[in-house]
Amino acid sequence: GENVEQHPSTLSVQEGDSAVIKCTYSDSASNYFPWYKQELGKRPQLIIDIRSNVGEKKDQRIAVTLNKTAKHFSLHITETQPEDSAVYFCAASGGGADGLTFGKGTHLIIQP
Amino acid sequence: EPEVTQTPSHQVTQMGQEVILRCVPISNHLYFYWYRQILGQKVEFLVSFYNNEISEKSEIFDDQFSVERPDGSNFTLKIRSTKLEDSAMYFCASSFGQGRSGNTIYFGEGSWLTVV
Repeated sequence: GENVEQHPSTLSVQEGDSAVIKCTYSDSASNYFPWYKQELGKRPQLIIDIRSNVGEKKDQRIAVTLNKTAKHFSLHITETQPEDSAVYFCAASGGGADGLTFGKGTHLIIQP
Repeated sequence: EPEVTQTPSHQVTQMGQEVILRCVPISNHLYFYWYRQILGQKVEFLVSFYNNEISEKSEIFDDQFSVERPDGSNFTLKIRSTKLEDSAMYFCASSFGQGRSGNTIYFGEGSWLTVV
């Protein structure tokens, strides 16, 4: 089955700086890669996703890149703000699987 | 904006008891899921459900677990003979199309289960 590795586990950046979170996946048949933001005690909320026919996608301060050859994808947040502090999960699905396989999460801390 | 809703938000149960967690998926969605998140860990897939049957399940989803769509709106997860290690947040989720085809999966607020 699919295995998703996510790094780093904790990331602390100064407000206004950029943050980058990286994930790798193992199943070359995976074709859908969402990113979820989870605040403490809340549901995971989709913030951006990318499909395997696209290399990059941007939505305001958030962007995701995908390298299918290397089987890795990254989340980029620019001009970070205090409300960006949360746990971010990458995930992968596709091929023969309906279920999302999640990474272990990155705790993003925005320092004022 | 339509949301997936779950009840109860928190349940405490004695070890060995049966628990039913309830979910109302988004109304026009066809695919339903249960995920689990042990405190401080990643979200783990349990089961997907389509057309009134299980379409996929993980190794976690053993005979202790079952799912049901008892009517046109509810989707339930039953956990029989609960164990301490079943303590976790259980998320229901739904999507309009198949997850493997890249359809967005929307999560409910979760049901926090504590087994004592």
